[in-house]
Amino acid sequence: DGGITQSPKYLFRKEGQNVTLSCEQNLNHDAMYWYRQDPGQGLRLIYYSQIVNDFQKGDIAEGYSVSREKKESFPLTVTSAQKNPTAFYLCASSTSNGSFYGYTFGSGTRLTVV
Amino acid sequence: AQSVAQPEDQVNVAEGNPLTVKCTYSVSGNPYLFWYVQYPNRGLQFLLKYITGDNLVKGSYGFEAEFNKSQTSFHLKKPSALVSDSALYFCALYSGAGSYQLTFGKGTKLSVIP
Repeated sequence: DGGITQSPKYLFRKEGQNVTLSCEQNLNHDAMYWYRQDPGQGLRLIYYSQIVNDFQKGDIAEGYSVSREKKESFPLTVTSAQKNPTAFYLCASSTSNGSFYGYTFGSGTRLTVV
Repeated sequence: AQSVAQPEDQVNVAEGNPLTVKCTYSVSGNPYLFWYVQYPNRGLQFLLKYITGDNLVKGSYGFEAEFNKSQTSFHLKKPSALVSDSALYFCALYSGAGSYQLTFGKGTKLSVIP
């Protein structure tokens, strides 16, 4: 079955540590997105990529980094510069040409600073 | 600029009663409109979309939504609420032009009371 997989489901980070969240899709989608979700604040866009080897900052990119070396993969690194990283992180993908049918989301990664 | 508003942070409804979750939008051009549902600690799941055609759109789990161009609204409805419908609901908009990105509302928490 086609879909989008995020791992791990739960992640714990120590102060000053970088961590990487995985996002893989087998939907043949060109575009991929990372969102952060905090209680009562909806979805905030961190980074997005519409094609391999290219990505753009979203609304809250500071303290995060991404790469897009393969069409299927869009990992997100939460760096030590992100002062308040505890949140629920969602990855999504979509087409970026022709017909648009919205996003497909992964099941999320909950990151907690310990 | 385009925007989506979900005027209610929370909606409470008794089981078996009809439910409505409101969404209004602002965009130049013809909108693509979506509803997604999120259960706790899960990703967003697609419910339904309006792109063109019939203003009444039917989706998953018995939900439907009516596109009203004059009122710029796309309210989500269900004739008879179930306790299992309790979740967070997001309305989203694509302008139909430019980058394939969705603009999300802040979400409405639906609680169905037994």
